[in-house]
Amino acid sequence: KAGVTQTPRYLIKTRGQQVTLSCSPISGHRSVSWYQQTPGQGLQFLFEYFSETQRNKGNFPGRFSGRQFSNSRSEMNVSTLELGDSALYLCASSLAAGIRSNEQFFGPGTRLTVL
Amino acid sequence: EDKVVQSPLSLVVHEGDTVTLNCSYEVTNFRSLLWYKQEKKAPTFLFMLTSSGIEKKSGRLSSILDKKELFSILNITATQTGDSAIYLCADLNFNKFYFGSGTKLNVKP
Repeated sequence: KAGVTQTPRYLIKTRGQQVTLSCSPISGHRSVSWYQQTPGQGLQFLFEYFSETQRNKGNFPGRFSGRQFSNSRSEMNVSTLELGDSALYLCASSLAAGIRSNEQFFGPGTRLTVL
Repeated sequence: EDKVVQSPLSLVVHEGDTVTLNCSYEVTNFRSLLWYKQEKKAPTFLFMLTSSGIEKKSGRLSSILDKKELFSILNITATQTGDSAIYLCADLNFNKFYFGSGTKLNVKP
């Protein structure tokens, strides 16, 4: 079974631009969660999608948004990029939504650098 | 908001040593505590703990949860260089995962 895939793997943008990251979950998984990982803040929860609906949202500004498609693939969008948005963005898929999920399977991440 | 704190932040040991990594948490609707190993990019799942006092074991790794003290430890015996990684713990609270900042373990030959 193929794992979680994320594209692109690396991205360089400048301040003020916007970016879209993509995540394809493991086949059969319906929940996709997004995380931002920085050296100073560790792994922080962005949001979770299940069956095309956002179920949970972390404490990030409205510039961070996402969506999930009917095939469970998810995209995350960051508008008006700031230097502090430079991070590794990880997505994780699980069979069910967080409350019933024993495990999350993480993708390799997208390394975003904002110049 | 839930809080997960890991200690130490980093650790350097030599092959063959035994290490203990700590994770404390403050949660409102605790469901389970999970441990992950992150080597290069994607964290990989190690253990999920829901019941207090029951040790989970996988090879040289083991973990136990104390729900009264809101604490979990991850033990690694006879460490190897391949154990070098960031170890993350997370609590699953109702319907969100909260991660600690991780313990960076460096095992020297």
